[in-house]
Amino acid sequence: NAGVTQTPKFQVLKTGQSMTLQCAQDMNHNSMYWYRQDPGMGLRLIYYSASEGTTDKGEVPNGYNVSRLNKREFSLRLESAAPSQTSVYFCASSGPTGGTQGQYFGPGTRLTVT
Amino acid sequence: AQSVTQLGSHVSVSEGALVLLRCNYSSSVPPYLFWYVQYPNQGLQLLLKYTSAATLVKGINGFEAEFKKSETSFHLTKPSAHMSDAAEYFCAVSEVIYNQGGKLIFGQGTELSVKP
Repeated sequence: NAGVTQTPKFQVLKTGQSMTLQCAQDMNHNSMYWYRQDPGMGLRLIYYSASEGTTDKGEVPNGYNVSRLNKREFSLRLESAAPSQTSVYFCASSGPTGGTQGQYFGPGTRLTVT
Repeated sequence: AQSVTQLGSHVSVSEGALVLLRCNYSSSVPPYLFWYVQYPNQGLQLLLKYTSAATLVKGINGFEAEFKKSETSFHLTKPSAHMSDAAEYFCAVSEVIYNQGGKLIFGQGTELSVKP
């Protein structure tokens, strides 16, 4: 039982390049989330998927797109990376009681955009 | 809208001293509150959660938190700090979406340093 896994762990991009961050969970959770973490700002929700087949914007969705590929996988795409997207990205998942029981987080992807 | 404020971005204590990390929340409905811990270069791990069953909540690694509705607070404490407690701690409130998980709103985080 690996929990929530993310790939890659580290990535360096040049401005304007695109990339996809991958996330998978093996806990049969319905809901999945993408956050970014910046110093002094905590974690901010980018997008979430309450259930397979649905996605919704979070607090900071601009510059990102997501795909809920199936129940296990939720990817985050940067179409044209900008230095402001330099951050640590976390994927999380939860069951239907996640609002009351909390979310499970992956190890993160450290992205640097130069 | 719900929000969370953590007082103090950095807290430093001596080993064996009391740890107190402060969290205040704003919520128009009965809140679900969480504390997460993040060790260097790792993801977030759930430390404890308040879900209205009891106002004093015990978590892992000897931490506990007390929900005080009148003060809209959910401060995290540990009687005796250990070097291994050095980490960043996040308080979060949940925006519950019925049967669909729910979204977390995080505070800014407090970095705890423990001096020998």
